[in-house]
Amino acid sequence: EAGVVQSPRYKIIEKKQPVAFWCNPISGHNTLYWYRQNLGQGPELLIRYENEEAVDDSQLPKDRFSAERLKGVDSTLKIQPAELGDSAVYLCASSTWVTDPIRNTIYFGEGSWLTVV
Amino acid sequence: SQQGEEDPQALSIQEGENATMNCSYKTSINNLQWYRQNSGRGLVHLILIRSNEREKHSGRLRVTLDTSKKSSSLLITASRAADTASYFCATAPGYSGAGSYQLTFGKGTKLSVIP
Repeated sequence: EAGVVQSPRYKIIEKKQPVAFWCNPISGHNTLYWYRQNLGQGPELLIRYENEEAVDDSQLPKDRFSAERLKGVDSTLKIQPAELGDSAVYLCASSTWVTDPIRNTIYFGEGSWLTVV
Repeated sequence: SQQGEEDPQALSIQEGENATMNCSYKTSINNLQWYRQNSGRGLVHLILIRSNEREKHSGRLRVTLDTSKKSSSLLITASRAADTASYFCATAPGYSGAGSYQLTFGKGTKLSVIP
C-alpha cells in the first residue's frame, strides 16, 4: 500500500515569492492534515480536513497561507508571499475517520522542506 | 502550541545499551503515540498506548503510561546505530466523540547511538 506522497521534497525560494506543496493521502483516508515543523521542534498542526471540509484551521496564518482539498482526496498548501520565518518542513498526514473512542494511527509523508532566502 | 515535553532533549549512548525517553503532557488524553524521525525524513509511527493501558510492548520498544502523573516513557532495549533518530511523543485529545482528531507533539528527544 502506498503511503502519503508529498511533493516537492525540497524547495528553495526567495522571500516574497509564492510556493505550493502537494499531498496525496493514503487511499481511503478521509482525514488529511498539514503540519509545520520548525528546526529542532515537533510538528504543529496547520489545518485538518475531513473529506473536503476544513474542520480545524485555527492555526493557519490566513493572511499568507491557504489550503484546499478538492474532491476530498489530494490537497495543496500555498504560501504567498513567503517570508524568511516560513522556512520549515511541511508535513502532510492522513488517517481514517473513526466512530469509536479509540483513535486510529495518523500516517505522515516524508515532508516538503522549504528554505526561504 | 505543543502539549508534550520530552526529556532529555538529547541522549547519547553506546550500541547495545538501553535508551529511555520520557514525555510529560498537560491535558487529558485518549491515547499517546510515539514517532521516530530520521534526519531529513518524515515521521514514522512506532507505537500507540491507550489511556486505559499502562504498558505496551512492540519488539525492542516498551512504552509505559501513567495518566495520574500525565507522563509516558519509551524504552528502546539493546539499541543499534540504526536507532539514531529523533523521537517524539504525541497526544490525542480525551474527548470521546466520533470523528477525526489532531495529534499534539512534543519537541522530541534526539537519540544518538554510537557504534
